[in-house]
Amino acid sequence: QQQVKQSPQSLIVQKGGISIINCAYENTAFDYFPWYQQFPGKGPALLIAIRPDVSEKKEGRFTISFNKSAKQFSLHIMDSQPGDSATYFCAASRGYGGATNKLIFGTGTLLAVQP
Amino acid sequence: GAVVSQHPSRVICKSGTSVKIECRSLDFQATTMFWYRQFPKKSLMLMATSNEGSKATYEQGVEKDKFLINHASLTLSTLTVTSAHPEDSSFYICSATKLNIQYFGAGTRLSVL
Repeated sequence: QQQVKQSPQSLIVQKGGISIINCAYENTAFDYFPWYQQFPGKGPALLIAIRPDVSEKKEGRFTISFNKSAKQFSLHIMDSQPGDSATYFCAASRGYGGATNKLIFGTGTLLAVQP
Repeated sequence: GAVVSQHPSRVICKSGTSVKIECRSLDFQATTMFWYRQFPKKSLMLMATSNEGSKATYEQGVEKDKFLINHASLTLSTLTVTSAHPEDSSFYICSATKLNIQYFGAGTRLSVL
C-alpha cells in the first residue's frame, strides 16, 4: 500500500511536443503529491505539487492532473524543450509533505527531448 | 526556495574504512532531515529520518550500526557509513523540510574500492 507506481520508465519526445508521465497509488491516506526533476549527479528539485482537493494544477509549462477516484495523477510538460531532459519522479506522502512526513517516490521516468 | 548543502559531493574510499557525509540547511533550521540512497537509474529509497536532538528513525531493512546518523544541531545532520564495503557504493542524498517542502542536497557519490 506504500507503493507509488510510475510509467513509462523512459520517454522520448520531440521538441515542442507534450510529455506525459503517469503515476498511481494505493494508499488513500496520501494527501500530497509532488513531482521532482533530477539531473544527472544532482539531487531532486521540486517541480510542482498538488493536493487531492483539486483536479488540476498548472505552473507555466507544467501541469498536474489528479484523479482521486482512480488514485492516479500525471505530469504534463507542454512545449517540451531539450533542457527538460532529466529524470522525473512522482511522490506521495501523508500530511502535506511536512517536516516529519516521509515521501514515497515512484520509480522514475527518464525523459529525453530531441531537438 | 531553500538551500541544502551536502559534502563531500564525491568520495572514494577503501573497503573497511568509514565515511562521513554532511548535510546542512544553509538558510533555515530543520528539526527533521531525511537520508536517501539511490542506485543508478533507480528511485530514491528512504533510509532514515534524522531528528535533531534525538535518535534517528530507520526504515525497515536499514542497518542502524552500519549507517550512523547524528543530528546535533538544527542545521546539520551527518551520515557515517561504517566499515564500508563495495556494496555500499551508491548515491546518498539528504533532504530537509522548509514550509512543508522537502529540499534536497546535491547528493554524495560514494565509491568503495
